[in-house]
Amino acid sequence: GAGVSQSPSNKVTEKGKDVELRCDPISGHTALYWYRQSLGQGLEFLIYFQGNSAPDKSGLPSDRFSAERTGGSVSTLTIQRTQQEDSAVYLCASSTSLSAKTNEQFFGPGTRLTVL
Amino acid sequence: AQTVTQSQPEMSVQEAETVTLSCTYDTSESDYYLFWYKQPPSRQMILVIRQEAYKQQNATENRFSVNFQKAAKSFSLKISDSQLGDAAMYFCAYRTRANSKLTFGKGITLSVRP
Repeated sequence: GAGVSQSPSNKVTEKGKDVELRCDPISGHTALYWYRQSLGQGLEFLIYFQGNSAPDKSGLPSDRFSAERTGGSVSTLTIQRTQQEDSAVYLCASSTSLSAKTNEQFFGPGTRLTVL
Repeated sequence: AQTVTQSQPEMSVQEAETVTLSCTYDTSESDYYLFWYKQPPSRQMILVIRQEAYKQQNATENRFSVNFQKAAKSFSLKISDSQLGDAAMYFCAYRTRANSKLTFGKGITLSVRP
C-alpha cells in the first residue's frame, strides 16, 4: 500500500487477555517504530526496529509487552495479560534508514486498545 | 534526558488569522532535529514542518513557519491565514541525529473559529 497500515483499527478486550497489534510499514522502509498515545502520558516511544532486530526497546513499559518483526516488513506488538492502564492508541511509524538525511517517520492511523 | 514541553493545552484562532504554538525543549546534544506534527481526528500523524538544529534559517512550508531559537531552546510554530482544516492536535517533537526515536510534547489542541 501507499502508507503505513495498522490492524485492527479498534480492539476491545477484557483484563487479563492477550492482544496482538499489527503494523505494515511502507514498502522498502527498513526502520519501524511503535509509540503509545495515552491520555495521561501523551505520546511515548516503545520500541524501534532496524530490519528484524530491535536495537532500542527501552520504552517497553513491562515484560508483558513484546514485539517482533519478520522479513524486514510486518511487525506485531503483543501485550500479555492486559491491564486497564494499557488502554491507549498504539501508533506505528516507518522510515528509511537512519543514514537518510532527515529520516522522516511516516505514521499509521493507530490501533485504539480498550481494556475493560 | 531530553524533554519537550508544550505548556498550552488548547488554543483557538479565527479563520484567516495567524496563530503561534509554543514549544520548548531541553537537551545537551548539539546535533538534532525538531518537528511539528499534526494529528487530526483520524489519528494519523502528519509531518507539518522540520528544522535541523545546525541550520540558522527558520524553516517554512507554505502557511507554516517556525521560530527556532537554539540558545533559548525554543521552537514555535506559526500558522498564517488559518483554515478550518488546520483544526487538530499539534505535537512538537525532537530527535537527535544519532538516535531515531522521537520524543514528543504533550500536544496542543487547536480549534479554528469560522
